Amino acid sequence: EVQVLESGGGLVQPGGSLRVSCAASGFTFSNYAMSWVRQAPGKGLEWISGIGGDGSSTWYEDSVKGRFTISRDNSKNTLYLQMNSLRAEDTAVYYCAKDSYDNSGSRYDNWGQGTLVTVSS
Amino acid sequence: DIQMTQSPSSLSASVGDRVTITCRASQSISIYLNWYQQKPGKAPKLLIYAASTLQSGVPSRFSGSRSGTDFTLTISSLQPEDFATYSCQQSYSVPRTFGQGTKLEIK
Repeated sequence: EVQVLESGGGLVQPGGSLRVSCAASGFTFSNYAMSWVRQAPGKGLEWISGIGGDGSSTWYEDSVKGRFTISRDNSKNTLYLQMNSLRAEDTAVYYCAKDSYDNSGSRYDNWGQGTLVTVSS
Repeated sequence: DIQMTQSPSSLSASVGDRVTITCRASQSISIYLNWYQQKPGKAPKLLIYAASTLQSGVPSRFSGSRSGTDFTLTISSLQPEDFATYSCQQSYSVPRTFGQGTKLEIK
């Protein structure tokens, strides 16, 4: 069974840093791109970052570029999101999602349960 | 960035109703449009990808279609478990933008 499980969320002060993780199982992790999608309280879904299967390609949404870094350790089947210079508007549930890609394009077919990041003093 | 505009933002319907939700892309995205269902406090669930392909395990009452840059999610006969928020997402380019969501409520 495919599973992705986030961890590492919590309360952090504005300007602080936090690293969230996503442990994957049930599939060949290195064969799949992965993404982080967040959802602020009462708001819609927002894609923020993605990474290719071998980790050599990364993509970011403009509002987190330069502050957040996505990475992966394929030997540990784990995805990471390092978040620096956190702002109140980064408060959200952070989901990791497995990105399945074929001739029909890309789609997020497995999601974790999410981890809550709260930026507040 | 490609903007995805969903309508309506909310919708009230009854069990057994036929419901349609629309998503419009700000530019051509070919067929690269996915639909997700999300229930309160839960992760999103993939329903349809490539505009009209039903994800494995999703009931056949869900269907998707495309006309140019307009995409439609249709639920043919609403069931109690279908009351949720539905979001579209384009996978044509990065950033992978989502629509703002449509909340489907019980009338």
